[in-house]
Amino acid sequence: DIQMTQSPSSLSASVGDRVTITCRASQSISSSLNWYQQKPGKAPKLLIYAASGLQGGVPSRFSGSGSGTDFTLTISSLQPEDFATYYCQQSYSVPYSFGQGTKLEIK
Amino acid sequence: EVQLVESGGGLVQPGRSLRLSCAASGFTFNDYAMHWVRQAPGKGLEWVSGISWNSGIRGYADSVKGRFTISRDNAKSSLYLQMDSLRGEDTAFYYCAKGFWSGPFDFWGQGTLVTVSS
Repeated sequence: DIQMTQSPSSLSASVGDRVTITCRASQSISSSLNWYQQKPGKAPKLLIYAASGLQGGVPSRFSGSGSGTDFTLTISSLQPEDFATYYCQQSYSVPYSFGQGTKLEIK
Repeated sequence: EVQLVESGGGLVQPGRSLRLSCAASGFTFNDYAMHWVRQAPGKGLEWVSGISWNSGIRGYADSVKGRFTISRDNAKSSLYLQMDSLRGEDTAFYYCAKGFWSGPFDFWGQGTLVTVSS
């Protein structure tokens, strides 16, 4: 099974900051990496698919990069509504594993 | 408007069974793979099971293999999860999600809570 490791587990930042979250797979997953945002009490929402594809309706301040085993999610200028928990997920092979999450908090 | 509405959650004793349902609308159900993902309270996301558009491929997490069975009825635009031999560690919110096999989950339902306790 493929293990997904995110870092950091939590992050404090201010509105307007540039933030980067990393995700590492235990083996190569090509570009089969997706990013989700989850707010308290809500279902996850797809942000980025296939490592760098921006899901429709998602602001352009969100971007993704990487391939193989190392991936990043970048938020170019944090907005108040971006404070949430972010998860990476590999869709390369079953079981489709998630990272443990990165909680982004207001500094 | 795409909608996924889960139902069937509740309180159940260890060892008993429960069947979750997910009613889909607003898209062509039989064009998509469907998945169940769970989240224990205060914890992260765990993929549970998935099924291809025609039920030809089904996959399970090791933690539920042999106890849970995923199925779908394309005529009713519905997804199901039969959960047998439930354990305390199965306590979680269960979300259904749509996507393509080997692709992202592009829309999620709001979830249904399953609590396994005596």
